Amino acid sequence: GENVEQHPSTLSVQEGDSAVIKCTYSDSASNYFPWYKQELGKRPQLIIDIRSNVGEKKDQRIAVTLNKTAKHFSLHITETQPEDSAVYFCAASPAGSQGGKLIFGQGTELSVKP
Amino acid sequence: KAGVTQTPRYLIKTRGQQVTLSCSPISGHRSVSWYQQTPGQGLQFLFEYFSETQRNKGNFPGRFSGRQFSNSRSEMNVSTLELGDSALYLCASSLGAGGPYEQFFGPGTRLTVL
Repeated sequence: GENVEQHPSTLSVQEGDSAVIKCTYSDSASNYFPWYKQELGKRPQLIIDIRSNVGEKKDQRIAVTLNKTAKHFSLHITETQPEDSAVYFCAASPAGSQGGKLIFGQGTELSVKP
Repeated sequence: KAGVTQTPRYLIKTRGQQVTLSCSPISGHRSVSWYQQTPGQGLQFLFEYFSETQRNKGNFPGRFSGRQFSNSRSEMNVSTLELGDSALYLCASSLGAGGPYEQFFGPGTRLTVL
């Protein structure tokens, strides 16, 4: 079935360090991979996404890489700040769902210590 | 543009009752997806409606159902509530056609089943 595994479940870094979160998906036909940030008590918000025809995408301090052969994608946050502390979710959209269905990883709780 | 709204924000029910949750998408968005969020299972996809038709379905029992109206507003119904249905129910809207596109989440409805 469709499954997304996310690691690590918790991550603690010092302010200014980099953080990396990794996800693996099972459906090789998945074609859209968003990353969401959810602060405590708030709704998930998209921070970056990548489509299957692109290998890497960057937006300021955030970057995502996709390896379709390995069915693996990663989130990279550089120069972390305390306001980056939140739970991060990766997701994959199965082909044919036209983006209406997202399979989420279990989440990574990122803590950035000042 | 107004964001995605959900009503009610909080709900307390007892086992065996039924409940209806409402989601109003961003103006112009024709797709509404529903997710269940729990600490143990994370974010799980329930179903998606596009142009008043269920386009995608998750692996939840038939007690969970939904519908979409001509103005794209969507409702989700859970019948014969069980304790395990206690969760945050999130809806998300997107453009829906020619996607995949970003899904914008609402604030959620916190359902407690006693």
